[in-house]
Parts: sequence; structure tokens; C-alpha cells
Amino acid sequence: DSGVTQTPKHLITATGQRVTLRCSPRSGDLSVYWYQQSLDQGLQFLIQYYNGEERAKGNILERFSAQQFPDLHSELNLSSLELGDSALYFCASSSRLAGVKETQYFGPGTRLLVL
Amino acid sequence: AQKVTQAQTEISVVEKEDVTLDCVYETRDTTYYLFWYKQPPSGELVFLIRRNSFDEQNEISGRYSWNFQKSTSSFNFTITASQVVDSAVYFCALSGPNLFGNEKLTFGTGTRLTIIP
Repeated sequence: DSGVTQTPKHLITATGQRVTLRCSPRSGDLSVYWYQQSLDQGLQFLIQYYNGEERAKGNILERFSAQQFPDLHSELNLSSLELGDSALYFCASSSRLAGVKETQYFGPGTRLLVL
Repeated sequence: AQKVTQAQTEISVVEKEDVTLDCVYETRDTTYYLFWYKQPPSGELVFLIRRNSFDEQNEISGRYSWNFQKSTSSFNFTITASQVVDSAVYFCALSGPNLFGNEKLTFGTGTRLTIIP
């Protein structure tokens, strides 16, 4: 158990809909990362938040957005869903000590199926 | 740009055999970090090891060992005396220097390892 939790585990929805994926980082971790794992694209970085602020962006679609709340949990919002958005969405967290490279620990993922 | 190549898509070995998973990386950074993650059939990503670019010592952890060679930009992973529980997809990943906003992981495409009882 990595200590990172994600809900829900599975999500089935229809095209055009909007969903919210939730992530709680390990206790004390300030950074949250979102990754998408699909058959087409493999594992890809979407976005990073650090202590409530967006820190880095990857190949995240404009239809997708994220935020990190004061209690450090994060949500990934996916809207106007398309069939191609079906994937496993991972959240990872790490602490950040000055001058120290930290390891990202991953949650169990949310499996999204768009029908 | 960073790139990680895992040329072996699938490997099958008989239990108790040794197996090596290859990882080749590309980066322009002089400081970087390499990782291996395991994804068992249940789907989660499990951290195995982190290696800094300035530390080329090989590492052994039980039946697992890692061979980091900067000269060939490779970070290979060997499982000795494989067991059925080692069956999983293994990902090699690369991260840049420890700078804010530069912490994302670039993953390879993974190697699916099947251990045959």
C-alpha cells in the first residue's frame, strides 16, 4: 500500500459527460501528479500540483482540468468525454525537501470507461 | 526531450530462470534520475528503485539487481531465480534534475514479463 488513495476505482460513463476523479496524497506529501495510462499513448504525465498551485503541465487536453485543495487532496475533472478518454488514471504524490529528489508513489488508479 | 526505450515488449521464462529487462534512455540533462516500477495484474504501480545519474554503483535487493551504465545510457533490471509472483508489466522511467516543475516521469512502454510455472 503506497498510502495514496484514489476514488472511485472504476467509472463507467457516456460520451459527452463530465466526471471527477479524486486523489488523496500520502500524509505529508505536498506534490500531486496525474498520469494517464492508455493502450495508445502508454503512461503519460498530465499535470502536477504543489501545495495548491499548478507546477507543471504535460499533454493534458483542454477538456481536462485539475486542482489541489488546502487539505492537499486533488481532483481531476474530465469533461465532454470521448471514447478515447477511456484509460487508467493514476495519481502520484511526493514530498519535496530542498535539494532532495523524491520518489513518486502511485495510487491504485481509477479505471474510466467511456461508452 | 527525454525518451525511454524498452525494446522488449513481452518476455516469458520458466520459473527459476534468470531474466533481464532492458532499458535505454535519452536525455540532455547532466543530472537525472532513473526509476523502475512494477505493474502487477491488479493494476497498481509499485515503486522498485530510484537511481541518480551521478551514482553508477549497481544495486542488489534480494533477487533483484540493477545495472546502470552511463556509457551506454542503459539501466537494466535483472530478476534472479524468477517466481510466478514476478509476473507483471515493468516500466522504466526517467526524470530530470531536481527543479521545480521538472519532476514529471517519462515512462517507457513497459515490458510484460510472464513467469511460467
